[in-house]
Amino acid sequence: QKEVEQNSGPLSVPEGAIASLNCTYSDRGSQSFFWYRQYSGKSPELIMSIYSNGDKEDGRFTAQLNKASQYVSLLIRDSQPSDSATYLCAVQRETSGSRLTFGEGTQLTVNP
Amino acid sequence: SAVISQKPSRDICQRGTSLTIQCQVDSQVTMMFWYRQQPGQSLTLIATANQGSEATYESGFVIDKFPISRPNLTFSTLTVSNMSPEDSSIYLCSVEDQSRESYEQYFGPGTRLTVT
Repeated sequence: QKEVEQNSGPLSVPEGAIASLNCTYSDRGSQSFFWYRQYSGKSPELIMSIYSNGDKEDGRFTAQLNKASQYVSLLIRDSQPSDSATYLCAVQRETSGSRLTFGEGTQLTVNP
Repeated sequence: SAVISQKPSRDICQRGTSLTIQCQVDSQVTMMFWYRQQPGQSLTLIATANQGSEATYESGFVIDKFPISRPNLTFSTLTVSNMSPEDSSIYLCSVEDQSRESYEQYFGPGTRLTVT
């Protein structure tokens, strides 16, 4: 079993729709959860972090965490073509100084 | 967040040679990390570099192959030694933002390495 698994892509949504990206993790000791966006040929860019169960909203992005189910998701509302990228879920066991374990990523395409 | 730069941005190297990648941060940071992203794959941590101590390597990565220096709180280098085509990857440094309690990690622009 992979440590971090993301829903297989690619995912294609029309402009204005909600894109839903999912991630599960195997280590119950994980404490910190991150979503990175990576455009082709670029480095990952942090877009959301979440540490407690529930929802966290930032603009068009909402991260959801359920530690009991070992599940974290990212919702992108009103998707734009500029959101087309690979989204990486990353999990960290401790809050400081420990490695990020990344999923394989989900490629999202938003069609105009 | 900190501004991170890497040099070189890309390079094409011959097998058997070594390349040193530099990572510069515009503020002092305790934790720096080196990751590798092989073509079409996700990121894998190579090692954690703390100033004033030896780097800590992840399983599958050894110091002889990937020596790391961390001379101060704003700079680190990663050397890829005795390169083979399998070392063709993007190498990324990241830093931990300790200005807040979140300890988020931010990435540099990466070094795209091709070994022929």
